Amino acid sequence: DTGVSQDPRHKITKRGQNVTFRCDPISEHNRLYWYRQTLGQGPEFLTYFQNEAQLEKSRLLSDRFSAERPKGSFSTLEIQRTEQGDSAMYLCASSLEVGGVGKLFFGSGTQLSVL
Amino acid sequence: KQEVTQIPAALSVPEGENLVLNCSFTDSAIYNLQWFRQDPGKGLTSLLLIQSSQREQTSGRLNASLDKSSGRSTLYIAASQPGDSATYLCAVLYSTLTFGKGTMLLVSP
Repeated sequence: DTGVSQDPRHKITKRGQNVTFRCDPISEHNRLYWYRQTLGQGPEFLTYFQNEAQLEKSRLLSDRFSAERPKGSFSTLEIQRTEQGDSAMYLCASSLEVGGVGKLFFGSGTQLSVL
Repeated sequence: KQEVTQIPAALSVPEGENLVLNCSFTDSAIYNLQWFRQDPGKGLTSLLLIQSSQREQTSGRLNASLDKSSGRSTLYIAASQPGDSATYLCAVLYSTLTFGKGTMLLVSP
């Protein structure tokens, strides 16, 4: 499968625990995005990378959130000291930017439930 | 700040009907507009992408139009089928994608 893959698909955790999600983009894509989606809402932008550089972060990304993309390949999103309000679907997307803005391809998401 | 609005929020139609989903955005400074489909509990599947210089794109029974100056886009679905039932999301791209809340479509047999 050459699409965007995310792991795990589902995560249930207790409030206060740390969680980490992984995203593997389409191999030749240089941009990687993280979005969060709650029930009945559209996805909300969190952050994006151009290769290994994190170029933009939303104000939604509090100090408890950190994202990395070492070597410009896969990315991880870590949430520390989870809160019930962090419960959402976390979506990863990638695109190929070459002299223009390309189509975003999304993974199936990681559904986080904080108890 | 870019805001994207989709109307209607939900739509229920019998199989075979042609239908139109609407999307509006507040800032016309966009690179492109994409329409996505999302099935319950799943990720997003890109349906159509319209570059800012284009007026429309077609794929099978789907046709999307873009009027950048008025900040509007429509997604036209011809001869709807029960398999079209899903949430349809509109998103505009400048540096990042900004999404609407989606239109939940139900096509009944």
